[in-house]
Amino acid sequence: ETGVTQSPTHLIKTRGQQVTLRCSSQSGHNTVSWYQQALGQGPQFIFQYYREEENGRGNFPPRFSGLQFPNYSSELNVNALELDDSALYLCASSLDRGVNTEAFFGQGTRLTVV
Amino acid sequence: QKEVEQNSGPLSVPEGAIASLNCTYSDRGSQSFFWYRQYSGKSPELIMFIYSNGDKEDGRFTAQLNKASQYVSLLIRDSQPSDSATYLCAVKLYSSASKIIFGSGTRLSIRP
Repeated sequence: ETGVTQSPTHLIKTRGQQVTLRCSSQSGHNTVSWYQQALGQGPQFIFQYYREEENGRGNFPPRFSGLQFPNYSSELNVNALELDDSALYLCASSLDRGVNTEAFFGQGTRLTVV
Repeated sequence: QKEVEQNSGPLSVPEGAIASLNCTYSDRGSQSFFWYRQYSGKSPELIMFIYSNGDKEDGRFTAQLNKASQYVSLLIRDSQPSDSATYLCAVKLYSSASKIIFGSGTRLSIRP
């Protein structure tokens, strides 16, 4: 157990809808990153939040947005869902944003868009 | 060229043998290196990290890093059926420390 929890674990949405995924970071960790993992692929970086501010973003469109709260928990919001958004969404928590810092993943949210 | 490359496998190794997993990366600015294990349908689990050239051992696992060759490997000694999983190699760049760049993973199968 990493102490990183995500909710919900599974979700089915219809194309065009909006979704919010949630993540609670490990105690003492102030940095949360979100990743998308398609079947058979490695996780792809969406963005990172450090002390409530976005601290880096991958090649994802603006309809992917996020928030980090004062307790360092985080949300990932996806608007106008597309079929290709179906994937495992992973939240990773780390002690800080440094390069030599390990990241620990939650159990993930499996999103299916139909 | 992919930033992090791994052989997709499957790599089949008999129980008790040494499993050797390899990874190459393209960016010489890569600073830190990670190995994650991922069971089917589960999230990645960090098993090793290495920042300096050479070997790092932790139990049955040894990570090896050669920055000159842009190569990182993971050795699993005394392989067990429970080691059967996909192993993801990942790197962080000093220039963009926020993100971890993952390979597509190598599927390892330990046969009894």
